[in-house]
Amino acid sequence: AQKITQTQPGMFVQEKEAVTLDCTYDTSDQSYGLFWYKQPSSGEMIFLIYQGSYDEQNATEGRYSLNFQKARKSANLVISASQLGDSAMYFCAMSAVQGAQKLVFGQGTRLTINP
Amino acid sequence: NAGVTQTPKFRILKIGQSMTLQCTQDMNHNYMYWYRQDPGMGLKLIYYSVGAGITDKGEVPNGYNVSRSTTEDFPLRLELAAPSQTSVYFCASVAQGDTEAFFGQGTRLTVV
Repeated sequence: AQKITQTQPGMFVQEKEAVTLDCTYDTSDQSYGLFWYKQPSSGEMIFLIYQGSYDEQNATEGRYSLNFQKARKSANLVISASQLGDSAMYFCAMSAVQGAQKLVFGQGTRLTINP
Repeated sequence: NAGVTQTPKFRILKIGQSMTLQCTQDMNHNYMYWYRQDPGMGLKLIYYSVGAGITDKGEVPNGYNVSRSTTEDFPLRLELAAPSQTSVYFCASVAQGDTEAFFGQGTRLTVV
Protein backbone atom coordinates (compact mmCIF):
# COMPACT_ATOMS: atom_id res chain seq x y z
CA ALA A 1 0.00 0.00 0.00
CA GLN A 2 1.08 3.54 -0.66
CA LYS A 3 0.91 6.41 1.80
CA ILE A 4 1.62 10.13 1.56
CA THR A 5 2.21 12.31 4.61
CA GLN A 6 2.13 16.08 4.59
CA THR A 7 2.85 17.36 8.09
CA GLN A 8 2.31 21.09 7.53
CA PRO A 9 -1.40 21.97 7.68
CA GLY A 10 -0.61 25.62 6.95
CA MET A 11 2.32 27.77 5.87
CA PHE A 12 2.63 31.54 5.82
CA VAL A 13 5.32 33.15 3.68
CA GLN A 14 6.20 36.67 2.63
CA GLU A 15 5.90 37.49 -1.05
CA LYS A 16 9.11 36.91 -3.05
CA GLU A 17 10.50 34.48 -0.48
CA ALA A 18 11.16 30.83 -1.30
CA VAL A 19 9.02 28.19 0.40
CA THR A 20 9.42 24.46 0.90
CA LEU A 21 6.38 22.22 1.32
CA ASP A 22 7.15 18.88 2.93
CA CYS A 23 6.07 15.47 1.68
CA THR A 24 7.12 12.02 2.80
CA TYR A 25 5.89 8.81 1.28
CA ASP A 26 5.82 5.09 1.86
CA THR A 27 5.51 2.38 -0.76
CA SER A 28 6.63 -1.16 -1.51
CA ASP A 29 6.71 -0.47 -5.26
CA GLN A 30 10.11 -0.35 -6.96
CA SER A 31 8.91 2.07 -9.64
CA TYR A 32 6.66 4.94 -8.70
CA GLY A 33 5.89 8.52 -9.53
CA LEU A 34 5.56 11.53 -7.25
CA PHE A 35 3.34 14.48 -8.07
CA TRP A 36 2.43 17.89 -6.74
CA TYR A 37 -0.95 19.49 -7.42
CA LYS A 38 -2.18 22.98 -6.63
CA GLN A 39 -5.80 23.62 -5.67
CA PRO A 40 -6.74 27.32 -5.60
CA SER A 41 -9.84 28.56 -3.82
CA SER A 42 -11.80 28.06 -7.06
CA GLY A 43 -11.39 24.31 -6.49
CA GLU A 44 -9.76 22.95 -9.61
CA MET A 45 -6.75 20.61 -9.48
CA ILE A 46 -3.70 21.96 -11.29
CA PHE A 47 -0.77 19.66 -12.06
CA LEU A 48 2.55 21.27 -11.10
CA ILE A 49 5.40 18.79 -11.31
CA TYR A 50 6.30 15.09 -11.61
CA GLN A 51 9.27 13.04 -10.43
CA GLY A 52 9.88 9.43 -11.38
CA SER A 53 11.54 7.22 -8.80
CA TYR A 54 14.36 6.35 -11.21
CA ASP A 55 14.99 9.91 -12.35
CA GLU A 56 18.47 10.91 -11.23
CA GLN A 57 17.88 14.63 -11.51
CA ASN A 58 15.36 16.57 -9.45
CA ALA A 59 12.42 17.74 -11.54
CA THR A 60 11.99 21.44 -12.24
CA GLU A 61 9.14 23.37 -13.86
CA GLY A 62 9.64 27.12 -13.90
CA ARG A 63 9.52 28.35 -10.29
CA TYR A 64 8.72 24.85 -9.01
CA SER A 65 11.29 22.22 -8.17
CA LEU A 66 10.95 18.88 -6.47
CA ASN A 67 13.61 18.02 -3.91
CA PHE A 68 13.64 14.22 -4.22
CA GLN A 69 15.53 12.28 -1.54
CA LYS A 70 14.85 8.62 -2.23
CA ALA A 71 16.65 7.20 0.79
CA ARG A 72 14.65 9.46 3.11
CA LYS A 73 11.44 8.86 1.11
CA SER A 74 10.81 12.56 0.79
CA ALA A 75 9.59 14.64 -2.16
CA ASN A 76 9.45 18.25 -1.04
CA LEU A 77 8.14 20.99 -3.31
CA VAL A 78 10.18 24.17 -3.49
CA ILE A 79 8.57 27.34 -4.84
CA SER A 80 11.04 30.08 -5.58
CA ALA A 81 10.18 33.79 -5.50
CA SER A 82 6.64 33.24 -4.21
CA GLN A 83 3.79 35.32 -5.62
CA LEU A 84 0.39 36.26 -4.19
CA GLY A 85 -1.18 33.91 -6.75
CA ASP A 86 0.63 30.97 -5.16
CA SER A 87 -1.79 31.09 -2.21
CA ALA A 88 -3.63 27.78 -2.44
CA MET A 89 -3.83 24.22 -1.13
CA TYR A 90 -0.96 22.01 -2.28
CA PHE A 91 -1.24 18.25 -2.49
CA CYS A 92 1.53 15.72 -2.78
CA ALA A 93 0.52 12.46 -4.46
CA MET A 94 2.06 9.25 -5.72
CA SER A 95 1.23 6.36 -8.00
CA ALA A 96 2.80 3.16 -9.20
CA VAL A 97 4.40 3.52 -12.61
CA GLN A 98 3.03 0.23 -13.87
CA GLY A 99 -0.67 -0.22 -14.44
CA ALA A 100 -3.50 2.22 -13.96
CA GLN A 101 -1.61 5.10 -12.25
CA LYS A 102 -4.03 5.41 -9.40
CA LEU A 103 -3.12 8.48 -7.36
CA VAL A 104 -2.81 8.43 -3.58
CA PHE A 105 -2.95 11.92 -2.07
CA GLY A 106 -1.72 13.49 1.12
CA GLN A 107 -3.94 15.73 3.23
CA GLY A 108 -2.51 18.89 1.78
CA THR A 109 -0.81 22.09 2.95
CA ARG A 110 -2.54 25.44 2.80
CA LEU A 111 -0.03 28.03 1.64
CA THR A 112 -0.71 31.72 2.24
CA ILE A 113 1.51 34.34 0.65
CA ASN A 114 1.52 37.65 2.49
CA PRO A 115 2.21 40.92 0.64
CA ASN B 1 -10.17 21.00 -26.70
CA ALA B 2 -12.54 20.79 -23.76
CA GLY B 3 -10.45 18.30 -21.70
CA VAL B 4 -12.44 16.64 -18.90
CA THR B 5 -16.00 17.89 -18.46
CA GLN B 6 -18.13 17.12 -15.40
CA THR B 7 -21.80 17.81 -14.93
CA PRO B 8 -23.47 19.04 -12.83
CA LYS B 9 -21.23 21.49 -10.96
CA PHE B 10 -23.46 21.58 -7.90
CA ARG B 11 -26.25 19.36 -6.63
CA ILE B 12 -28.29 18.95 -3.47
CA LEU B 13 -29.80 15.51 -2.90
CA LYS B 14 -32.16 14.26 -0.25
CA ILE B 15 -31.26 11.15 1.72
CA GLY B 16 -32.23 8.07 -0.24
CA GLN B 17 -32.31 9.75 -3.65
CA SER B 18 -30.14 8.59 -6.53
CA MET B 19 -28.20 10.49 -9.16
CA THR B 20 -25.57 10.11 -11.84
CA LEU B 21 -22.52 12.34 -12.07
CA GLN B 22 -21.45 12.68 -15.67
CA CYS B 23 -17.85 12.76 -16.88
CA THR B 24 -16.63 12.97 -20.44
CA GLN B 25 -13.18 13.53 -21.93
CA ASP B 26 -12.20 14.35 -25.50
CA MET B 27 -8.52 13.46 -25.32
CA ASN B 28 -8.93 9.75 -26.17
CA HIS B 29 -7.42 8.79 -22.81
CA ASN B 30 -7.63 5.13 -21.84
CA TYR B 31 -7.53 5.68 -18.08
CA MET B 32 -10.31 7.43 -16.19
CA TYR B 33 -10.91 7.89 -12.48
CA TRP B 34 -13.39 9.15 -9.93
CA TYR B 35 -12.09 10.73 -6.72
CA ARG B 36 -13.89 12.32 -3.80
CA GLN B 37 -12.55 15.11 -1.63
CA ASP B 38 -14.00 15.59 1.83
CA PRO B 39 -13.55 18.99 3.55
CA GLY B 40 -9.93 19.66 4.51
CA MET B 41 -8.75 16.36 3.09
CA GLY B 42 -6.92 15.01 0.08
CA LEU B 43 -8.62 13.13 -2.73
CA LYS B 44 -9.54 9.47 -2.40
CA LEU B 45 -10.08 7.08 -5.28
CA ILE B 46 -13.61 5.71 -5.69
CA TYR B 47 -13.45 3.79 -8.98
CA TYR B 48 -11.22 3.69 -12.01
CA SER B 49 -11.22 2.31 -15.55
CA VAL B 50 -8.36 1.31 -17.84
CA GLY B 51 -10.52 1.20 -20.94
CA ALA B 52 -14.00 0.76 -22.32
CA GLY B 53 -15.75 -2.13 -20.62
CA ILE B 54 -13.23 -2.40 -17.77
CA THR B 55 -13.78 -0.90 -14.32
CA ASP B 56 -12.38 -1.58 -10.86
CA LYS B 57 -12.82 -0.45 -7.28
CA GLY B 58 -10.62 2.09 -5.61
CA GLU B 59 -10.17 2.89 -1.94
CA VAL B 60 -13.75 4.03 -1.14
CA PRO B 61 -16.21 2.34 -3.57
CA ASN B 62 -19.13 1.60 -1.22
CA GLY B 63 -22.35 3.33 -2.24
CA TYR B 64 -21.21 3.99 -5.81
CA ASN B 65 -21.28 2.30 -9.20
CA VAL B 66 -19.64 3.10 -12.51
CA SER B 67 -19.75 2.01 -16.11
CA ARG B 68 -17.47 2.61 -19.10
CA SER B 69 -19.30 1.87 -22.31
CA THR B 70 -17.18 4.25 -24.40
CA THR B 71 -13.67 5.66 -24.18
CA GLU B 72 -15.06 9.16 -23.66
CA ASP B 73 -17.62 8.67 -20.89
CA PHE B 74 -17.28 7.47 -17.31
CA PRO B 75 -20.45 8.17 -15.28
CA LEU B 76 -20.59 7.69 -11.51
CA ARG B 77 -23.89 6.48 -10.04
CA LEU B 78 -24.95 7.14 -6.45
CA GLU B 79 -27.72 4.88 -5.20
CA LEU B 80 -29.56 5.70 -1.97
CA ALA B 81 -27.62 8.86 -1.15
CA ALA B 82 -26.38 9.25 2.42
CA PRO B 83 -25.02 12.32 4.29
CA SER B 84 -21.60 10.64 4.31
CA GLN B 85 -21.51 11.09 0.53
CA THR B 86 -21.49 14.87 0.87
CA SER B 87 -18.24 15.73 -0.85
CA VAL B 88 -16.62 17.22 -3.93
CA TYR B 89 -16.26 14.68 -6.71
CA PHE B 90 -13.52 14.88 -9.31
CA CYS B 91 -13.24 12.97 -12.53
CA ALA B 92 -9.78 12.60 -14.09
CA SER B 93 -8.18 11.00 -17.12
CA VAL B 94 -4.66 9.98 -18.13
CA ALA B 95 -3.25 8.81 -21.42
CA GLN B 96 -1.73 5.34 -21.24
CA GLY B 97 2.03 5.69 -20.74
CA ASP B 98 1.72 9.31 -19.68
CA THR B 99 2.05 10.79 -16.19
CA GLU B 100 -0.11 13.91 -16.09
CA ALA B 101 -3.70 13.43 -14.96
CA PHE B 102 -6.25 15.93 -16.27
CA PHE B 103 -9.00 16.76 -13.81
CA GLY B 104 -12.51 18.02 -14.34
CA GLN B 105 -13.77 21.09 -12.48
CA GLY B 106 -15.45 19.00 -9.81
CA THR B 107 -19.03 18.41 -8.67
CA ARG B 108 -19.99 19.68 -5.24
CA LEU B 109 -22.64 17.33 -3.84
CA THR B 110 -24.58 17.90 -0.63
CA VAL B 111 -26.86 15.19 0.79
CA VAL B 112 -29.42 16.47 3.30
